[in-house]
Amino acid sequence: DAKTTQPPSMDCAEGRAANLPCNHSTISGNEYVYWYRQIHSQGPQYIIHGLKNNETNEMASLIITEDRKSSTLILPHATLRDTAVYYCIVRTLQTGTASKLTFGTGTRLQVTL
Amino acid sequence: GAVVSQHPSWVICKSGTSVKIECRSLDFQATTMFWYRQFPKQSLMLMATSNEGSKATYEQGVEKDKFLINHASLTLSTLTVTSAHPEDSSFYICSAPRGDITQYFGPGTRLTVL
Repeated sequence: DAKTTQPPSMDCAEGRAANLPCNHSTISGNEYVYWYRQIHSQGPQYIIHGLKNNETNEMASLIITEDRKSSTLILPHATLRDTAVYYCIVRTLQTGTASKLTFGTGTRLQVTL
Repeated sequence: GAVVSQHPSWVICKSGTSVKIECRSLDFQATTMFWYRQFPKQSLMLMATSNEGSKATYEQGVEKDKFLINHASLTLSTLTVTSAHPEDSSFYICSAPRGDITQYFGPGTRLTVL
């Protein structure tokens, strides 16, 4: 699976949008971009994933550049409960196969009042 | 609600004893589950892949005789840390894939070995 690069930390004011970047310049055509987050002392939580189109769900939006070498996770209105480590993971999906996730160091997002 | 549970959520044991951690998928079946370990201020490191009805697959550097994995049913995998030592103190997390798309993680088990 392709390697990802994320800034180690970011701050965001509560109520503002949090934009978390991820670089995956070596991504291949059949690899998806996944985002998970881990709140302190809890297991990771799935947020969103995408292949090449932008995606949106109730938690966040995922913007993938046209060349797919980078992406941005957007939390439209960050709250204190969004303070967590956010992991960007690139993986291949194979039908019928459960593939493991490789976690990098992630971005520690601190949402402040 | 939670779809993967772990038990216990925390455990303290004496050095040399064995500790068993359970991972259950609550409303779906999982032929494969994954076990991760996380040290303070570090990322999750995959330890092993648990396969229902067959032997687990261990990542390089993980001692299979020390970290025993049993995937006895389609909803339960157990990790036993044998002869635990203080350096085994860590946060252990399991995950279970649901379909091809998403993996659900358990809440984690914090092990402290005195």
